[in-house]
This record gives sequence, C-alpha cells and structure tokens, in this order.
Amino acid sequence: AQSVAQPEDQVNVAEGNPLTVKCTYSVSGNPYLFWYVQYPNRGLQFLLKYITGDNLVKGSYGFEAEFNKSQTSFHLKKPSALVSDSALYFCAVRDGASGTYKYIFGTGTRLKVLA
Amino acid sequence: EAQVTQNPRYLITVTGKKLTVTCSQNMNHEYMSWYRQDPGLGLRQIYYSMNVEVTDKGDVPEGYKVSRKEKRNFPLILESPSPNQTSLYFCASIRQGRTDTQYFGPGTRLTVL
Repeated sequence: AQSVAQPEDQVNVAEGNPLTVKCTYSVSGNPYLFWYVQYPNRGLQFLLKYITGDNLVKGSYGFEAEFNKSQTSFHLKKPSALVSDSALYFCAVRDGASGTYKYIFGTGTRLKVLA
Repeated sequence: EAQVTQNPRYLITVTGKKLTVTCSQNMNHEYMSWYRQDPGLGLRQIYYSMNVEVTDKGDVPEGYKVSRKEKRNFPLILESPSPNQTSLYFCASIRQGRTDTQYFGPGTRLTVL
C-alpha cells in the first residue's frame, strides 16, 4: 500500500533563510512524487514532480526537491525563503507502475516565513 | 483560460437531503478526481475517473457516488449526506501521459447539519 508522511505540522523559518519541508513515502512499485502548495482560501497549485531522471527537480517559485530512493524521501527545499512562501504544503505519491491514478497525499505542513 | 470549476462553492444542507457538487474542466483532460480535505488528515481521494464511463474508488468512497458521462464533467453525488461528510471538497483534472500534473478547482465547502 502507498503512504506519505509529512512529519512536521508546521515549519517556521526566517525570511532569507533556507527552508526544508520533509516528506517520506512508501510505495511498492514505481514512485511518482509531487509537491503542491495551498494558499489561504485557494485550491492547490502544482509546484514540482519527480517521475524519472535527475534526482534533483526544480519547480515553480524557486523551489526544488531531491528524490532519495534509499531514504524514500522527497524533501522540498528553497535556498532563501520569502514571506510570500507562507502556505500549506502537501507531498503526494502515485505508484507509476500500477496503471491507476490513485494518489496519496500527506497531511500537509504549514510553512510560516517570519519577516 | 484553462480551468477547473466547481459549483456551488459553499453549501449548507441537512442530513439526508441529496445533493450534487458539479465539476467541469475545459482542458480536454481524460482524468478527473475528487478529494476531501479535513484538518489533520490532508487530502484524501474519494473517486477518480480515467475516462468517460470509467470510474474507480479512491481511499474514502463510502457515502459518495460519481458519474462520468461526458469528458468535461465529473459530478460528485451525496445521496444521503451525514455530518461526517462536512468537509472541503476539491475536484482535479489531469492530462494522462507523463505530465501527471493535477489542476485543482477552487473547492466546495460543504456543511451537513
């Protein structure tokens, strides 16, 4: 069975500092991994994904994530946080070998960037 | 503009009164899905559809029905809503293939009294 864990409910970081939002996953087949962001009173927006290829993927708004197969992790990172990055972040996984479009989302991590 | 629309955006209803939340996309995507978002539980997939007349259960399908008669529409039906279905609901669509990027609607906040 697939699962995703986001171990931190909230992450606080000062503006200008690097940020990391953690995600670990479990999938029996081929992991397709995603990060989405939700701003207040909005739907979710796609940030980045790992399907195959380079383990370091770059996405929107200066975010990047590294796929680590041995640690089954896909942490979201940004070198320099902005106050406007404050939002709710979701990690998600799909088993690419399953042939289905069944997605599992994590419980979300609230990022607060302090000015 | 490419988008996923949901209606209504807000709904307050009573236990047992059938309701439908509509979802429509204008991107000609094959895949569509419904999620519910609850505090501390994140997003959970209710149902998804890989094409017209093809639907399958997600993780939390109990108490919900869906239909996919046209490519652009994927309504969510609650035949007999209960208070534990009070939640924020999102519809999403995705073009199949290697893009695997979901486009989400704005959400429908449902309260069942």
